[in-house]
Amino acid sequence: AQSVAQPEDQVNVAEGNPLTVKCTYSVSGNPYLFWYVQYPNRGLQFLLKYITGDNLVKGSYGFEAEFNKSQTSFHLKKPSALVSDSALYFCAVRDIKTKAAGNKLTFGGGTRVLVKP
Amino acid sequence: DAMVIQNPRYQVTQFGKPVTLSCSQTLNHNVMYWYQQKSSQAPKLLFHYYDKDFNNEADTPDNFQSRRPNTSFCFLDIRSPGLGDAAMYLCATSRGGGTVNTEAFFGQGTRLTVV
Repeated sequence: AQSVAQPEDQVNVAEGNPLTVKCTYSVSGNPYLFWYVQYPNRGLQFLLKYITGDNLVKGSYGFEAEFNKSQTSFHLKKPSALVSDSALYFCAVRDIKTKAAGNKLTFGGGTRVLVKP
Repeated sequence: DAMVIQNPRYQVTQFGKPVTLSCSQTLNHNVMYWYQQKSSQAPKLLFHYYDKDFNNEADTPDNFQSRRPNTSFCFLDIRSPGLGDAAMYLCATSRGGGTVNTEAFFGQGTRLTVV
């Protein structure tokens, strides 16, 4: 079974400082990994994904993530955080064994990011 | 333009009174999902449709049902809502057919309150 862990419930960072949100995964085959962001009372917005290729993936709003196979990690990063980046972040892994290639996502527990001015 | 639309955004229902949440999509995606999310926790998959093929999660209570009359629409029916069913309900869509590298697109959610 696939699983995702986000070890930090909350990350606090000052505006302008680098932001890192951690994610580790467990899959039986090749991992398909995603990051989503959720603002209050909103649905989830897609940020970026890793399927294959370069380990450094660039996504929306200046975010990027680094895939590390040996450490089974997919940490989300932003070089300079903004107050508007304050939100709930979810890492997710695709269940590739779903019948008919349905695209079930297994989510981590979420990390709340608070960027202070 | 919104691609996955959920109505209503906020729903208040009485304990035990059936309620239906709706979702529509303009993406023509094969797969539609319903997730339940409580108190900023991880979204929990209730079920999903691959075209007309319904796939229920093993731990989804019988109180939750779903209908997908056509590609564009999908409904979540809660037959007898309890206080514990108060949550944000998220609809999502994605392509199917082996395209496992595609992301899911989420609607804005419906926040359900049970009184």
